[in-house]
Amino acid sequence: GAVVSQHPSRVICKSGTSVKIECRSLDFQATTMFWYRQFPKKSLMLMATSNEGSKATYEQGVEKDKFLINHASLTLSTLTVTSAHPEDSSFYICSASRGSSEAFFGQGTRLTVV
Amino acid sequence: GQSLEQPSEVTAVEGAIVQINCTYQTSGFYGLSWYQQHDGGAPTFLSYNGLDGLEETGRFSSFLSRSDSYGYLLLQELQMKDSASYFCAVRDRRGSQGNLIFGKGTKLSVKP
Repeated sequence: GAVVSQHPSRVICKSGTSVKIECRSLDFQATTMFWYRQFPKKSLMLMATSNEGSKATYEQGVEKDKFLINHASLTLSTLTVTSAHPEDSSFYICSASRGSSEAFFGQGTRLTVV
Repeated sequence: GQSLEQPSEVTAVEGAIVQINCTYQTSGFYGLSWYQQHDGGAPTFLSYNGLDGLEETGRFSSFLSRSDSYGYLLLQELQMKDSASYFCAVRDRRGSQGNLIFGKGTKLSVKP
C-alpha cells in the first residue's frame, strides 16, 4: 500500500529556534498534502493544505508566517515551525491521498519546545 | 459550520460487539471514513463508505446513510488490541485534493 513517511518522529528544540518537519509520499505522487496538529487526547485539527508548486492554504487562526509550508515536489512537503515557543509543543501529522477513499498518514512528529 | 459528532468514550469487554455512531453536517460530502489511532501513533485507515450501505472488512464493518447524514463503525469479537481512539471523517471535496474533516474521536476501552 501507499506509504507516507514523516521525519523526524521526535524533536526537542529551544525557544526561538526553528524546526523543519518533512513529509514524503514514497510510492505515489501527491499534488496535495495536509498538515494536522493534535493536542493530547484531542482530534486532528487541519492546519493547512499544501499544494505542489503553489502557496499553501491555511486554516483560519493558523499563522502562515509561523508555520511555513513548502511543497516543492510531488513527493515532498515540509512544515517549518519558526521561532518556536513552548505553546507550539504538539503532535504534528501530515497526510496524503491518491483518491477519495483512503488517506495515508505519516508517523507524526512530536515537537517539544523548551 | 462543519461538524461531526461521535461519542467521546465507549467501554466494552473482550469478545463483545461495539457500535460507534457518527453524525455529520458538512458543506461537501464525498464519503465517510473511519480511522483508528493508538496512543502516540498516527491514524490508520479502517474503512470508507462512499455510497449508502454496509461495508465489511473482517471484524470491522461500517455503515452509511447519506439521507440521515449518519454512519457507524461496528467492531465485532473485540480484542484488547482494539483499545484505541476511533475517528470518523468526511472528505469535503472529490479526489485526493479533498480535505478530511475529523470528528473528535471515540476512545474505546476493551476490558478483559
